[in-house]
Amino acid sequence: AQSVTQLGSHVSVSEGALVLLRCNYSSSVPPYLFWYVQYPNQGLQLLLKYTTGATLVKGINGFEAEFKKSETSFHLTKPSAHMSDAAEYFCAVSSYYGGATNKLIFGTGTLLAVQP
Amino acid sequence: DAGVIQSPRHEVTEMGQEVTLRCKPISGHDYLFWYRQTMMRGLELLIYFNNNVPIDDSGMPEDRFSAKMPNASFSTLKIQPSEPRDSAVYFCASSLAGTRGSEQYFGPGTRLTVT
Repeated sequence: AQSVTQLGSHVSVSEGALVLLRCNYSSSVPPYLFWYVQYPNQGLQLLLKYTTGATLVKGINGFEAEFKKSETSFHLTKPSAHMSDAAEYFCAVSSYYGGATNKLIFGTGTLLAVQP
Repeated sequence: DAGVIQSPRHEVTEMGQEVTLRCKPISGHDYLFWYRQTMMRGLELLIYFNNNVPIDDSGMPEDRFSAKMPNASFSTLKIQPSEPRDSAVYFCASSLAGTRGSEQYFGPGTRLTVT
């Protein structure tokens, strides 16, 4: 079975500071990993995903994440926070079995606040 | 493409009434998911379909909830009778079948309030 743990339900950073949102996963098979963002009163939107290949994945809005198999982690980072980054972020995992990888297991989310 | 379409966007109803939420997935997608989001329980997967067939409904909270997908372009989630604890935002998502980590595309959600 797969699972995802997001450390820190609330993270606050200053505008211009580094953003680091933590995600650890558990999977008995090679995982596919995702980060989604949810702005207030909106649905979830894909930020980036890792399937295979390069372990550093770049996404939209300047975000990136690095897959570290030895640490079972997929932390999300952005060098400089903007006010517009304030949102809730969800890490998710899916695995290939039975011929399909479409079901996602989501973490509990991290609410990012950006202070001026 | 217009993306995943959900209707209504907001629904306010009284306890005991029937509620029907609607979803139109992205054309060509063959997976459809229904989620519920609340402050207390976070994001929960209720049920998902593949090629219009329900695959896993283990997340449906109780018999008051039912979901159908009569064709590839339409799905409904029905609550009958509704209760105040059903108040939540309900999301529909769709994805294209794949073997290399297919992402899901979410609709804007339906905010349900049961009084």
